[in-house]
Amino acid sequence: QVQLQESGPGLVKPSETLSLTCTVSGASISPNYWSWIRQSPDKGLEWIGFIHDSGFTSYNPSLKSRVTIAVDTSRNQFSLKLNSVTAADTAVYYCARHSNVWPFDHWGQGTLVTVSS
Amino acid sequence: DIQMTQSPSSLSASVGDRVTITCRASQGITNSLAWYQQKPGKPPKFLVYAASTLESGVPPRFSGSGSGTEFTLTISSLEPEDFATYYCQQYYYTSLFTFGPGTKVDVK
Repeated sequence: QVQLQESGPGLVKPSETLSLTCTVSGASISPNYWSWIRQSPDKGLEWIGFIHDSGFTSYNPSLKSRVTIAVDTSRNQFSLKLNSVTAADTAVYYCARHSNVWPFDHWGQGTLVTVSS
Repeated sequence: DIQMTQSPSSLSASVGDRVTITCRASQGITNSLAWYQQKPGKPPKFLVYAASTLESGVPPRFSGSGSGTEFTLTISSLEPEDFATYYCQQYYYTSLFTFGPGTKVDVK
């Protein structure tokens, strides 16, 4: 059974970098596409970006200048870095796996990240 | 960007009711449309892909239809566990996946 688990700080100060890791169990991170998605009352569900186990990435243009997604196949993990955060980045952050037909078939439980001083 | 809209934004229904939710895309997306169900405090659950194909394990009371710009999700007979928020998502443009704003189904 595929399981994803997000981990990282729940509180980040404005202008600093949000860093999260997603640990995948029950399946190999290769070969697949893996995404980060966030959810807030203001913006709803917002796709942040994906990474392939090869390292190929694609990012939401609205966030592209601030986002980096990386993969560590040896640890079966992938990560998210979002820099220069503001209160608008406060959200529940999910990691998810793309099915072989693109929709997200497995999701982590989500982690709330609050941006506040 | 492809904008996704849903109607209604919320609806009240009773167990046994037939429920239909509509999703519209701002541009044609063929059948590259998925549906998810989300309950409070939980991640979305994958229900439907290719507009009308049920994910494995999804009860047959759920059905999806549509292509191009207009899609529907129908629950033929609402069960107690179906009270939730439902989201559509387009994956036609894989450079920018977008979701609808959601439709909340609550108890009448």
